[in-house]
Amino acid sequence: DIQMTQSPSSLSASVGDRVTITCRASQGIRNYLAWFQQKPGKAPKSLIYAASSLQSGVPSRFSGSGSGTDFTLTINSLQPEDFATYYCQQYISYPLTFGGGTKVEIK
Amino acid sequence: EVQLVESGGALVQPGGSLRLSCVGSGFTFSDNYMDWVRQAPGKGLEWIGRSRNKPQGYTTEYAASVKGRFTISRDGSKNSLYLQLTSLKTDDTAVYYCVRVVGSSSYFDNWGQGTLVTVSS
Repeated sequence: DIQMTQSPSSLSASVGDRVTITCRASQGIRNYLAWFQQKPGKAPKSLIYAASSLQSGVPSRFSGSGSGTDFTLTINSLQPEDFATYYCQQYISYPLTFGGGTKVEIK
Repeated sequence: EVQLVESGGALVQPGGSLRLSCVGSGFTFSDNYMDWVRQAPGKGLEWIGRSRNKPQGYTTEYAASVKGRFTISRDGSKNSLYLQLTSLKTDDTAVYYCVRVVGSSSYFDNWGQGTLVTVSS
């Protein structure tokens, strides 16, 4: 199975900050990498697929990059509604696997 | 608008069985792969399994943790996806989500709201 490792597991940031979350795959996954946002008590929301493509309706302050084993999710100018937990996922091979999550909290 | 609505979650005893349902609307249900993902209380996301689309014969894939105990099926006439859970363990306690899969590379887009399964005596 491909292991997905996210860092940090949590971070504190202020509104307006730029935030970067890292995801590392245990083996190369080309660009078969997705990012999800989850708020407490809610279903996850799909943000990014193919490492850098935004899902429909996702604000442009979200961006993704990377290929192979190292990926990043960047949130430019953090907004109040962005405080949530973020997960990466590889979907190149079964079983699909997720990172452990990064909780973005208000500083 | 794409909508996915899960149902069937309940409190069940260890060793018991349950069937979850997911009804899709706003898209041609048989065209898409559909997945199940679960989340134990306070934990991360875990992929459970997949039902491929009608052209692929609705064939399935499963995570090792549920293979042989859980079964994914579909009723195309009802736009419904099912997850049959058997031999339930306390570790199966989780919110179960159905997810639409899109694209030739098969990535997730829409998620249902989830349904809670609690396994406890």
